[in-house]
Amino acid sequence: QSVLTQPPSVSGAPGQRVTISCTGSSSNIGAGYDVHWYQQVPGTAPKLLIYGNSNRPSGVPDRFSGSKYGTSASLAITGLRAEDEADYYCQSYDSSLSDSGVFGGGTKLTVL
Amino acid sequence: QITLKESGPTLVKPTQTLTLTCTFSGFSLSNSGVGVGWIRQPPGKALEWLALIYWDDDKRYSPFLKSRLTVTKDTSKNQVVLTMTNMDPVDTATYYCAHRRMGLDVWGKGTTVTVSS
Repeated sequence: QSVLTQPPSVSGAPGQRVTISCTGSSSNIGAGYDVHWYQQVPGTAPKLLIYGNSNRPSGVPDRFSGSKYGTSASLAITGLRAEDEADYYCQSYDSSLSDSGVFGGGTKLTVL
Repeated sequence: QITLKESGPTLVKPTQTLTLTCTFSGFSLSNSGVGVGWIRQPPGKALEWLALIYWDDDKRYSPFLKSRLTVTKDTSKNQVVLTMTNMDPVDTATYYCAHRRMGLDVWGKGTTVTVSS
């Protein structure tokens, strides 16, 4: 069971907007640690999608956005495209785990 | 351009010690704020954080595996080494190393390790 909780799956039609939640606690997201998001196409290494809660690395389309509020964070994807079908993971740190990194359990996005 | 590459055995026996090396280029692990992390992913499962070593040699381990993990760096060789003792079949996974600055912003391609007798 992961320290950060994500829905196992979400889906949407091309062009639609979907959101993926990441729920933590007062020892991780709620403690002020940044949340990062990664996209992983099966069979490949994860790729950084959002860092520092809401920042996009160079080359990541602005269809991807992140937010953080209280003990949770959220990834939003607008204008869904077939190539967005992948697994998405949130990541932060946890003070109750000696500041170790922690991942969410991952969310499988299906583009219908 | 930052690149990282994991190397090590593809097959280890139960109870053996696994040693993985992350060889990187495009950055120095002596630069302030920089770190190299290790993450693994069992087949069909989620990412799991293992360890992180910072430029100042500060280290953070997963508390669930801390007793089995050691991470070291060799700045002159641009390498980070992860050792994991007492390997078990449940440790079968793809092991990744990644550059840490703003999140884990560059990942290696990963190396698959199978634990079997």
